[in-house]
Amino acid sequence: RKEVEQDPGPFNVPEGATVAFNCTYSNSASQSFFWYRQDCRKEPKLLMSVYSSGNEDGRFTAQLNRASQYISLLIRDSKLSDSATYLCAVRWDDKIIFGKGTRLHILP
Amino acid sequence: DTGVSQDPRHKITKRGQNVTFRCDPISEHNRLYWYRQTLGQGPEFLTYFQNEAQLEKSRLLSDRFSAERPKGSFSTLEIQRTEQGDSAMYLCASGSGPTNTEAFFGQGTRLTVV
Repeated sequence: RKEVEQDPGPFNVPEGATVAFNCTYSNSASQSFFWYRQDCRKEPKLLMSVYSSGNEDGRFTAQLNRASQYISLLIRDSKLSDSATYLCAVRWDDKIIFGKGTRLHILP
Repeated sequence: DTGVSQDPRHKITKRGQNVTFRCDPISEHNRLYWYRQTLGQGPEFLTYFQNEAQLEKSRLLSDRFSAERPKGSFSTLEIQRTEQGDSAMYLCASGSGPTNTEAFFGQGTRLTVV
């Protein structure tokens, strides 16, 4: 089992729709959880950290389920500018491990 | 610009040559990470420094790869006897810990081995 696994993409979604990304991790001792956004040929940028109680930032909602070792990201009312690759990341010990990423295309 | 800085941004080298990349983390960030990313993949963890101590090293980091952070500030990643399979984007990230555990990336160094 891979350390961090994400939905294979790409997702092609009409503008205004709600998009959900899923991520599972293998190490139950994981300490911190993140979602990053990466635009084509750019570096990953932190989108949001994921807290145990779940957290929201505008149109973005992140959830964590430690029992199932599962993280999710929901984007509501998607915009064309949301088109990017979304990377799930998990920290344990001294490492931050990334998933392969899920590419999102928002269609006009 | 107070973000993570990497140099050079692009490097083309012939197979068998040695290359060295530099990373300047965000000021006072004690944690520094190196990653490698190829097309269609997520960043692959290579190594981690807490101040000047290299605390974690991936099996991906063969003996041709070495990283240093001599004074706990900037870091260098050297690849000896480069191979075509080393062609990738090399990303550096830094963070302050332990409560602020996020890592922030530099723009990367794109290596092409010909």
